[in-house]
Amino acid sequence: DTGVSQDPRHKITKRGQNVTFRCDPISEHNRLYWYRQTLGQGPEFLTYFQNEAQLEKSRLLSDRFSAERPKGSFSTLEIQRTEQGDSAMYLCASSKTGQSEQYFGPGTRLTVT
Amino acid sequence: QQPVQSPQAVILREGEDAVINCSSSKALYSVHWYRQKHGEAPVFLMILLKGGEQKGHEKISASFNEKKQQSSLYLTASQLSYSGTYFCGTATPNSGYALNFGKGTSLLVTP
Repeated sequence: DTGVSQDPRHKITKRGQNVTFRCDPISEHNRLYWYRQTLGQGPEFLTYFQNEAQLEKSRLLSDRFSAERPKGSFSTLEIQRTEQGDSAMYLCASSKTGQSEQYFGPGTRLTVT
Repeated sequence: QQPVQSPQAVILREGEDAVINCSSSKALYSVHWYRQKHGEAPVFLMILLKGGEQKGHEKISASFNEKKQQSSLYLTASQLSYSGTYFCGTATPNSGYALNFGKGTSLLVTP
C-alpha cells in the first residue's frame, strides 16, 4: 500500500497562468476527493469522483477549475487564469467506498504571485 | 454549515488526558477524526458511523451521540507525538460522503 501521492508538491505561478495538479490514489480505491486548505482552516471540499464519474462539485469550484479522472485511476485538477485567492494547499484523498475512511495525499501547495 | 469544534486550543503536559468535541447543526451520519501536523497532510485517526460502528487507532477512542449530533475524541496518557491540529469531518450520503471539516483544535503536548 503506497498511499496517495500528489505532484507537484509545490507550485509557484504568476497570476493569470494555468496550473495542473495530479493525484494518484491508493490503487483499489474507487472514490477520489479534492479539497482545498488555507492557513488556519480545515480542508474544504471541492469535488469528488466515483471511478471516472465526477459526481459532485462544490460551489467553491468556479468555472476556472476543472477536474478529470480518466479511466478511474489518477486525477488532475486544473486551474485556469489563476488568481491570488487561489493560493492554498490542494489536497487529494481516496477511499474504498463512500462510507470508508479517506486517506489524504501530501498535498500541492500553490502560491500565486 | 461546518461542524463546531471545542476547545479551539489546549496545552497538556505529557501523560495528561484531553477531550475534543465536535458538534453539528445537522443530523450526523458519520464522523471522521484526523490529526494534522504543520506542513503535513491530515492523518486518519477514527471513523464513527451511525449505528455504532467505529474503526480507528487502538490508542484513541471516540464517542458518537446521534441524538445530540455530537462526537468527542478522547486522548489518554498523551504523548509528545500527539501534538498537532485535530479536525473532525462530518459526512452524509447526500453529499457523497464528502467531508465537511470543522476549524480544528490545536493540541500541544509539553514535556
